Order: sequence, then C-alpha cells, then structure tokens
Amino acid sequence: GAVVSQHPSWVICKSGTSVKIECRSLDFQATTMFWYRQFPKQSLMLMATSNEGSKATYEQGVEKDKFLINHASLTLSTLTVTSAHPEDSSFYICSAPSGTDYQPQHFGDGTRLSIL
Amino acid sequence: AQSVAQPEDQVNVAEGNPLTVKCTYSVSGNPYLFWYVQYPNRGLQFLLKYITGDNLVKGSYGFEAEFNKSQTSFHLKKPSALVSDSALYFCAVFDSTSGTYKYIFGTGTRLKVLA
Repeated sequence: GAVVSQHPSWVICKSGTSVKIECRSLDFQATTMFWYRQFPKQSLMLMATSNEGSKATYEQGVEKDKFLINHASLTLSTLTVTSAHPEDSSFYICSAPSGTDYQPQHFGDGTRLSIL
Repeated sequence: AQSVAQPEDQVNVAEGNPLTVKCTYSVSGNPYLFWYVQYPNRGLQFLLKYITGDNLVKGSYGFEAEFNKSQTSFHLKKPSALVSDSALYFCAVFDSTSGTYKYIFGTGTRLKVLA
C-alpha cells in the first residue's frame, strides 16, 4: 500500500536552531501534502497545504516565515521550523492523499520536536 | 464550513463487548467521511470511508461505520472489542468548499478496552 516516510522521528535541539522535517511519498506521487501539528491529548491542527511546484497554502494564524514549506518534487515536501523556541515543541505530522477525489490520506509517523 | 464533532473524549469498554465511537457531521453538499486510528507516537492509519452507497461501511481490523443522514452521524463500531483496539480515533470530513481541498478532523476519542 501507499507509504509516507517522515524523518526525523525525534529531534531535540537548542532554542534558536532551525529544524527541517522531511516527508516523502515512497511509492506514489503526491502533488499535495498536508502538514499538521498535534498538541498533547489534542486533535490535529492543519498548518498548511504543500503544493508541488507552487507556494504552500497556510491556515489562518500560522506564520509563514516561521514554518517554511517547500515541495520541490512529486515525492518530497519539507517543513523547516526556523529559529525554533520552546513553544514550537510539538508533534508534527505530514500526510498525502494517494489520489484526488476523496481518497484517504496516508500519514507519516510524525516528528516529535523538543526545543530546549 | 464543513465540520465533524466527536462528543466523547474517552470511551471505555470491556474486552469482548461491542464498541461505538460517535461522530456527527455538518456539511454543505454531500458528506465524504473518514475514520482514522492513531497509536502512541505514530501517524494516523486509515480505517474506512463513506463516499456514497451503502450506509454500513466495512473497514480494516473488523471496524465498521454506519452513515445516518437524518441524524448526520457516522459512528464507528466493532462487534467485539480487543485490548489492542485501545488507541485514539479520529473522524474526518473532506472539505473542498474553499476552492482547494483539505480534511477537517474531529477532536479525537480515546478508546480504552479493558481486559
């Protein structure tokens, strides 16, 4: 079945560091990928929609300059948390639908980001 | 705007008993509904979807969901719960009303199956 690979799975770094998270579709092409943030014991918050070859679409309240998204190929989207601070600590999850028209999403295993 | 609601934060059920995890929806147009499961420190896994057709949808791991248009509900069910079913369950709706498309998730329901 369709697989989405997300790396790294766990990151611990100092405040002020920029962190890049990769999301790859391994056996299908994804013109669209989604980035979510999940707080402890809470639902998924959609941060942005990543579009291959064009700018990402950010949800209201999400800082574009803080969370840089690049979707350079049909199989790779990256999220860079720039100048990360402790309040950016969270569980970040990417997903990609395997097609259009109401197809299920395939999720990466998430990245736990801890900023000291 | 499209939305789904999961009224229960947590559901406890004894192993072997039937389980139900509730979801109601609010959509303009036809509803396209999904259930996902999340295990600790993992991404979500697709269980089943309703697009059209039979109101009873069968999915992975013995789960099924019943689409009820009059009650705007899409409850997840399983006839006999397993301890390994303990996880976080999310209902979601497909939203294309903004010109692009995305998926809107409910707040999640934690299922605990007790041995």
